[in-house]
Amino acid sequence: DAKTTQPNSMESNEEEPVHLPCNHSTISGTDYIHWYRQLPSQGPEYVIHGLTSNVNNRMASLAIAEDRKSSTLILHRATLRDAAVYYCILIPYNQGGKLIFGQGTELSVKP
Amino acid sequence: GAVVSQHPSWVICKSGTSVKIECRSLDFQATTMFWYRQFPKQSLMLMATSNEGSKATYEQGVEKDKFLINHASLTLSTLTVTSAHPEDSSFYICSAPRDSGELFFGEGSRLTVL
Repeated sequence: DAKTTQPNSMESNEEEPVHLPCNHSTISGTDYIHWYRQLPSQGPEYVIHGLTSNVNNRMASLAIAEDRKSSTLILHRATLRDAAVYYCILIPYNQGGKLIFGQGTELSVKP
Repeated sequence: GAVVSQHPSWVICKSGTSVKIECRSLDFQATTMFWYRQFPKQSLMLMATSNEGSKATYEQGVEKDKFLINHASLTLSTLTVTSAHPEDSSFYICSAPRDSGELFFGEGSRLTVL
């Protein structure tokens, strides 16, 4: 499985945008870029995913580099409830739900 | 509301006893479910793939006789930690994919072995 690299931790102020980077230089052509987050003492939850084009949903935006070797999860206005560990995971199109988690980025949000 | 539910949310047991954790898909059928273990301040580690009607597939280094997985129906997978010891104390999490490809995780089950 292709590996992802994320900063261990990041800090943000409430109401400000947050850009969470992820490097995946060995990504293959059929790997989708998925983001999940895990709030304290809970199971992970899906945030967003994409293949080549930038994606937006109600939770976040995903910006994918043209060469697909990196991506950035964008939270447009961080809230205290966004404090979580964010995982960037590459999933081949036929993986069927088997996720291999890296260390993720622990995001703290200051009021 | 939860789409995948785990029970119990937390459990405390004595060393040497066995503990069963259930993972249910609430409004869809899941022929496959996944079990993870997470130690404090660490990431999730995939333990095994639970397959409905057949044997589970365990990841390297996970003892299949220690962590018994049963997927007897299309909505229920169980993980039994046999002869639990303090080092088995952990947060156990399951997930299940829908046919649409969406993946849902349970709330997690925290096991403490005294």
